[in-house]
Amino acid sequence: GENVEQHPSTLSVQEGDSAVIKCTYSDSASNYFPWYKQELGKRPQLIIDIRSNVGEKKDQRIAVTLNKTAKHFSLHITETQPEDSAVYFCAASTGNQFYFGTGTSLTVIP
Amino acid sequence: GAGVSQSPSNKVTEKGKDVELRCDPISGHTALYWYRQSLGQGLEFLIYFQGNSAPDKSGLPSDRFSAERTGGSVSTLTIQRTQQEDSAVYLCASSLVQGFAGYTFGSGTRLTVV
Repeated sequence: GENVEQHPSTLSVQEGDSAVIKCTYSDSASNYFPWYKQELGKRPQLIIDIRSNVGEKKDQRIAVTLNKTAKHFSLHITETQPEDSAVYFCAASTGNQFYFGTGTSLTVIP
Repeated sequence: GAGVSQSPSNKVTEKGKDVELRCDPISGHTALYWYRQSLGQGLEFLIYFQGNSAPDKSGLPSDRFSAERTGGSVSTLTIQRTQQEDSAVYLCASSLVQGFAGYTFGSGTRLTVV
């Protein structure tokens, strides 16, 4: 089955700096890669996703890149704000199950 | 409904008791997933239902855990003879088609076994 690894597990950045979270996957058949943000005590919410026929996708301050050859994808958050503080999960899907990374706890220091 | 609904939102139970957690997916969503999230941990896959196919139970941690999905809609996760290590948030998610469109989480049930 698919194995998704996520790094780092914790990340602290100064407000205004950029944050990068990286994930790798093992199954070359995976073709959909969503990212979820989970604020304390709340449900995970989809923030951005990318499909395997696209190399990069951007939505305002967040962007995701995908390298199919290397089987890794990354979340980039620019101009970080305190409200970006949360746990971020990456996931990979072959079209059946979602396989989640172990999460990254991001803290943005004002 | 507009979103994935889970009940109860909180459940405190005594060790050894059975509990049932309910998930009401978004109308029309054929895929339904259960996850467990222990404090400060990631999302642990438990079970996956897709339409009328046999469920993928590969994530269930023991035979004390079982789940049903009646009529392709509401799902119930049952934990028998609860143990303290079962304490966690149990999240349900549903999607319109296999793995893709509209994948949405419910708010979860926080289970505490005392």
